[in-house]
Amino acid sequence: KAGVTQTPRYLIKTRGQQVTLSCSPISGHRSVSWYQQTPGQGLQFLFEYFSETQRNKGNFPGRFSGRQFSNSRSEMNVSTLELGDSALYLCASSWRTVGGYTFGSGTRLTVV
Amino acid sequence: AQRVTQPEKLLSVFKGAPVELKCNYSYSGSPELFWYVQYSRQRLQLLLRHISRESIKGFTADLNKGETSFHLKKPFAQEEDSAMYYCALSGFYFNKFYFGSGTKLNVKP
Repeated sequence: KAGVTQTPRYLIKTRGQQVTLSCSPISGHRSVSWYQQTPGQGLQFLFEYFSETQRNKGNFPGRFSGRQFSNSRSEMNVSTLELGDSALYLCASSWRTVGGYTFGSGTRLTVV
Repeated sequence: AQRVTQPEKLLSVFKGAPVELKCNYSYSGSPELFWYVQYSRQRLQLLLRHISRESIKGFTADLNKGETSFHLKKPFAQEEDSAMYYCALSGFYFNKFYFGSGTKLNVKP
């Protein structure tokens, strides 16, 4: 059974650019969440989708957005990148409506 | 406000010694508590859920609602237990995790 797949693994972008990260959940999982991991702030919740609907959103600016497709694959987009957006972005999926996440390996975004 | 506190950034023990990684939480409703582990260069993995009350790799954790704690314990640490451990809290009905800052466990030979 394939795990949670995130692409790309690494990304380098310039300030002001935008970026799209992709997440393919485990087959059958309908809940997909995104987290930002940094050395200073740790793991912070970005948003969660279930059946194409955003159910929860963390305290991030509107530059951070996401969506989920009918096949449960999810994308997150960050516009007008800032240096502080450099982080490991983790996607996690679950078959349940709550809890028991399986995490992907993450996309490491570096903004220069 | 929801919060998960892991007071120790680093915990070093010798192989065979007991281990306790502390986790305290604040949450107004009925929380679900989890422990996640991240071994070097690997992805975050679910270790324990309080609801399942199971023991994984010799680790156990008991939810103490009175003390609002969910400490992770193992009677005899192994070198392969060296990793980063994160305590996490989720609302009972919503998939929004609050993670602690993590504790790095270093098991010395």
